Amino acid sequence: QKEVEQNSGPLSVPEGAIASLNCTYSDRGSQSFFWYRQYSGKSPELIMSIYSNGDKEDGRFTAQLNKASQYVSLLIRDSQPSDSATYLCAVILYSSASKIIFGSGTRLSIRP
Amino acid sequence: ETGVTQTPRHLVMGMTNKKSLKCEQHLGHNAMYWYKQSAKKPLELMFVYNFKEQTENNSVPSRFSPECPNSSHLFLHLHTLQPEDSALYLCASSQDPGTGELFFGEGSRLTVL
Repeated sequence: QKEVEQNSGPLSVPEGAIASLNCTYSDRGSQSFFWYRQYSGKSPELIMSIYSNGDKEDGRFTAQLNKASQYVSLLIRDSQPSDSATYLCAVILYSSASKIIFGSGTRLSIRP
Repeated sequence: ETGVTQTPRHLVMGMTNKKSLKCEQHLGHNAMYWYKQSAKKPLELMFVYNFKEQTENNSVPSRFSPECPNSSHLFLHLHTLQPEDSALYLCASSQDPGTGELFFGEGSRLTVL
């Protein structure tokens, strides 16, 4: 079982709609979770972090965490063409605080 | 500009060459990382350094040799690489090893012939 799993996509969403990106992780003891965005040809950049069960909102982005289900999601409201990118889920392993493990990413395409 | 600079941006080398990748961070961070990004594969953690000390070696082959002379500089020395080592090598830094909030450089695109 992969440590962090994501659907590779592509996920196509019409402009203005809500994009929903999902991630599951295998290390039940993990406490820290992150979403990075990577534009084509660019390096990843952090957009959200979440540490507690529930929702965390930042502008058009909402991260959701359910530790019991080992599930993290990212919602993007009012999707814009500029949101088209690959979204990477990352988890710090409980077994090693310095090991930040990434999923393979979900490619999101916002169609006008 | 993330405050993390990598050189060279592109590198082509033969299997018998020796080359080095350099990373410098201007953020005052204590932890530095090397990741490998290949097509269709997740970012792979290679090495982690905290205050110049290596804290993680993620089973990386010995043909990759990291060096961290201080908390602002990180090198990846390359020798006798294989074509399958061709990838984008990303350096990142964070305030401390356990924060998870990584700042990435633009990467060094390596091609091994």
